Amino acid sequence: AQSVTQLDSHVSVSEGTPVLLRCNYSSSYSPSLFWYVQHPNKGLQLLLKYTSAATLVKGINGFEAEFKKSETSFHLTKPSAHMSDAAEYFCVVSEPLSGGYQKVTFGTGTKLQVIP
Amino acid sequence: SQTIHQWPATLVQPVGSPLSLECTVEGTSNPNLYWYRQAAGRGLQLLFYSVGIGQISSEVPQNLSASRPQDRQFILSSKKLLLSDSGFYLCAWSIEERGSFGSGTRLTVV
Repeated sequence: AQSVTQLDSHVSVSEGTPVLLRCNYSSSYSPSLFWYVQHPNKGLQLLLKYTSAATLVKGINGFEAEFKKSETSFHLTKPSAHMSDAAEYFCVVSEPLSGGYQKVTFGTGTKLQVIP
Repeated sequence: SQTIHQWPATLVQPVGSPLSLECTVEGTSNPNLYWYRQAAGRGLQLLFYSVGIGQISSEVPQNLSASRPQDRQFILSSKKLLLSDSGFYLCAWSIEERGSFGSGTRLTVV
């Protein structure tokens, strides 16, 4: 069975300081992992994805995440927060079902607040 | 390239009225299709997923149902809406590691 745990429901950082959003996963297979961002009243946008290539994944808007199999983690980071980064972030795991299909599970989300 | 369409973008419905949200995918065949709900202040919850026409799996018991009448069409329905059905509903597709979300429907039940 697969699961995703986002360890913080809310994170608050000052503008210009680093961002760390934590995600741990559980999967019976070698999963694919994703981070999505949702700005208020907008749809989800894919930030980055890991699909068994390089363990350090670079995404859009300066975000990156590192896949650590030994720690079953996929934390999202950014060196310097911008006001426009304030949003809700979702960690997602995808693993194969029988027949070659994929099942996707979302974390409960982390709301990022950026303080001027 | 693949695109996913979801409508309507917003919907206000009275308690007890029926619901039908539609989602279609273009540019691919036999995708997995999903319906998610995001209730206010909570994370995304998988409601239904489908691996093929007429094949629907429900993740949580609820007042909603889903149908897949065609390969690239996924419909979320209710016969009688409850206040607790209010939320943001997202349709998604996936094939292996590829996929994307629709733009979502904000449903308010009054």
